[in-house]
Amino acid sequence: EADIYQTPRYLVIGTGKKITLECSQTMGHDKMYWYQQDPGMELHLIHYSYGVNSTEKGDLSSESTVSRIRTEHFPLTLESARPSHTSQYLCASSEFLGEKLFFGSGTQLSVL
Amino acid sequence: QKEVEQNSGPLSVPEGAIASLNCTYSDRGSQSFFWYRQYSGKSPELIMFIYSNGDKEDGRFTAQLNKASQYVSLLIRDSQPSDSATYLCAVLLMDSNYQLIWGAGTKLIIKP
Repeated sequence: EADIYQTPRYLVIGTGKKITLECSQTMGHDKMYWYQQDPGMELHLIHYSYGVNSTEKGDLSSESTVSRIRTEHFPLTLESARPSHTSQYLCASSEFLGEKLFFGSGTQLSVL
Repeated sequence: QKEVEQNSGPLSVPEGAIASLNCTYSDRGSQSFFWYRQYSGKSPELIMFIYSNGDKEDGRFTAQLNKASQYVSLLIRDSQPSDSATYLCAVLLMDSNYQLIWGAGTKLIIKP
């Protein structure tokens, strides 16, 4: 069954640590996205990708980086986690840019 | 500034009644409009999309678009307790690299 997967589901980590949030999809989609969402707030785009070897910054890059070496894999890395990075991180994919996004189950990150 | 505005709610509706959710947007260049449903602690899920002025119906859901007045609405007929969720409005701007602008969502509570 086509799906989009995120790991870990929850992560508690100390300040200054390097972390990578994983996202994989079997939807066959070229377009992938990372969003950040705080409770009761709108989604903010962190990074997106048109396809393999393509990465773009969104409105909220949040000192993170992404890579797209394979179509199905789009990991997000925080080089040095800070308490301000505490949030829900959502990965999504779509066939066409901005259209009909499918979301993973999210990673809830807490930085102490 | 490009914005999407939604009443945060909560909007309380009796079971079996019609729930009406509204969204206004500021950019006249908006072309595509989406409604996502987000249950508490879960990821957003696309439920409706509309491109042209007028109504679009899908089961109990109807999306209404009025580009002249810059609003889009979602009607849920015969509301069920399972419809209790936060409903996110998203607008696609073609002049912003086809990126979605999100509202903060309206929390809907269906009372049995």
